[in-house]
Amino acid sequence: KAGVTQTPRYLIKTRGQQVTLSCSPISGHRSVSWYQQTPGQGLQFLFEYFSETQRNKGNFPGRFSGRQFSNSRSEMNVSTLELGDSALYLCASSLSGYGYTFGSGTRLTVV
Amino acid sequence: GENVEQHPSTLSVQEGDSAVIKCTYSDSASNYFPWYKQELGKGPQLIIDIRSNVGEKKDQRIAVTLNKTAKHFSLHITETQPEDSAVYFCAASINGGSQGNLIFGKGTKLSVKP
Repeated sequence: KAGVTQTPRYLIKTRGQQVTLSCSPISGHRSVSWYQQTPGQGLQFLFEYFSETQRNKGNFPGRFSGRQFSNSRSEMNVSTLELGDSALYLCASSLSGYGYTFGSGTRLTVV
Repeated sequence: GENVEQHPSTLSVQEGDSAVIKCTYSDSASNYFPWYKQELGKGPQLIIDIRSNVGEKKDQRIAVTLNKTAKHFSLHITETQPEDSAVYFCAASINGGSQGNLIFGKGTKLSVKP
């Protein structure tokens, strides 16, 4: 059974650019969540999607957005990148809403 | 909002010893408490979870206890092995975890010395 797949694994962007990260959940999982992980702030919740609808959102600026497609795949977008956006972005999926399974993440570096 | 504090930040034990990691939460409405293990270069892996209607749960060498009155929960690992070395995170959720908004502790780096 394939796990949660995130692409790309590594990304380097310049300040001011925008970036799109992709997440393919475990087959059959309809809930997809996104988290940002940094050494200083730890793991912080960004947003959660279920059946293409955003059900919950964390305390991040509007530059962070996401969407979910009908096949449950999800993307998150960060516009006008800042140096502080450098982080590991993690996607997690769940069948029932409990027991989220995380992917290995996308390491974003903003220079 | 919910706040989760985790202690200690680092923990070193000898192989075969037990390890205990403790977390406290602030929102009495929290009702779902998972524990994750993160190895270098990987995403967090769920190792055990507990819901607020249960006081204790065990899975082989791993156990979690929950004290709702004191608002704290703990992870117990017995007979530690070198492969248990990793960063462990506790988390809490007021939605039963159903809407993804897990609030995580800052993590505990566990080192098991052979």
